[in-house]
Amino acid sequence: GAVVSQHPSWVICKSGTSVKIECRSLDFQATTMFWYRQFPKQSLMLMATSNEGSKATYEQGVEKDKFLINHASLTLSTLTVTSAHPEDSSFYICSARNPGGLGNQPQHFGDGTRLSIL
Amino acid sequence: KQEVTQIPAALSVPEGENLVLNCSFTDSAIYNLQWFRQDPGKGLTSLLLIQSSQREQTSGRLNASLDKSSGRSTLYIAASQPGDSATYLCAVEGNTPLVFGKGTRLSVIA
Repeated sequence: GAVVSQHPSWVICKSGTSVKIECRSLDFQATTMFWYRQFPKQSLMLMATSNEGSKATYEQGVEKDKFLINHASLTLSTLTVTSAHPEDSSFYICSARNPGGLGNQPQHFGDGTRLSIL
Repeated sequence: KQEVTQIPAALSVPEGENLVLNCSFTDSAIYNLQWFRQDPGKGLTSLLLIQSSQREQTSGRLNASLDKSSGRSTLYIAASQPGDSATYLCAVEGNTPLVFGKGTRLSVIA
């Protein structure tokens, strides 16, 4: 079945560091990928929709200059958390849909990245 | 704005029991509804996807139903096992990407 790979799985870094998270679709081409954030015991909240070859669409309240998204190829989207601070510590999950119609294909999720900012 | 609610927030049952998890959503104009499983610190595993035109889907011991008009879905787990312990998330997709509920944290006690 379709597989989405997310890397790294866990990051611990100092405040002020920029962190890049990769999301790859391994056996299909994804024109659209999604980035979610999940705080402890909370639901997944959509941060942005990543579109191959164009700018990402950010949800209300998500700072586009803080969370840089690049979708340079049909199999790779990256999320860069710039100048990360402790409040950015969270679980970040990406997903991708195998093209085939909006209502037909499920989103496939990566295993997530746990980001801890000290 | 679509809102998804899951009840109960947590559930603890003895092994072997059948159980039902509930999900409700406010906007019935959906394309599909999905149930996911999430283990602690892990990503999501898709369990079942129900298209808006469907009433239910089954996979092994799992059965999910959808009543779009009333904005409700249930996930039925038969003969629960300790390995079923996880958080179960319901999510709906409509004119916006997937909107998730907060999940039901299930503990199956051996």
